[in-house]
Amino acid sequence: DQQVKQNSPSLSVQEGRISILNCDYTNSMFDYFLWYKKYPAEGPTFLISISSIKDKNEDGRFTVFLNKSAKHLSLHIVPSQPGDSAVYFCAASYGNKLVFGAGTILRVKS
Amino acid sequence: DAGVIQSPRHEVTEMGQEVTLRCKPISGHNSLFWYRQTMMRGLELLIYFNNNVPIDDSGMPEDRFSAKMPNASFSTLKIQPSEPRDSAVYFCASTQQGDYGYTFGSGTRLTVV
Repeated sequence: DQQVKQNSPSLSVQEGRISILNCDYTNSMFDYFLWYKKYPAEGPTFLISISSIKDKNEDGRFTVFLNKSAKHLSLHIVPSQPGDSAVYFCAASYGNKLVFGAGTILRVKS
Repeated sequence: DAGVIQSPRHEVTEMGQEVTLRCKPISGHNSLFWYRQTMMRGLELLIYFNNNVPIDDSGMPEDRFSAKMPNASFSTLKIQPSEPRDSAVYFCASTQQGDYGYTFGSGTRLTVV
């Protein structure tokens, strides 16, 4: 039972353009949402988060949008840079634990 | 701060053997999590501890898997006997309870042949 779904296994974007990564969830009890970034041979690192009471959170080039009625969130990266190439995991929390999606591989071409 | 330290980085073992993965969380963190990453299912939570006490082990796939946290600075994940389908990358993460910004270790890549 995949409570957090990332339906796009991969995404390829040109340097300087916008990258949009999407995530859907099924559990309405989730109260906090996060994005993690993972480089090869490293553990995931925290990128940005949003509380369920908000619909947008911005941090530099990264913005997360939450649509609670659609149970959907997205991560926008503008402008995209080659160093952004990584696997991006969407995560949602309830209680003290995070439930992760399967990840989306982002490739930013220079 | 050395971060979350996992050992070994790579483990290759034969089916049927016992495997022990180790984790040292960040000092001061009181929550510890074991995750498994596979291509099909992404990051799956296996078990987590608060203050060294196992809270939720519903993600542990079978009785072949066990985890312990004897003190605040050390945890183990044991698989006995191991099977080829256990091949995956196993991550340990720690945080202060209530903080969702987990710090992950670099993972242990387990291959069971």
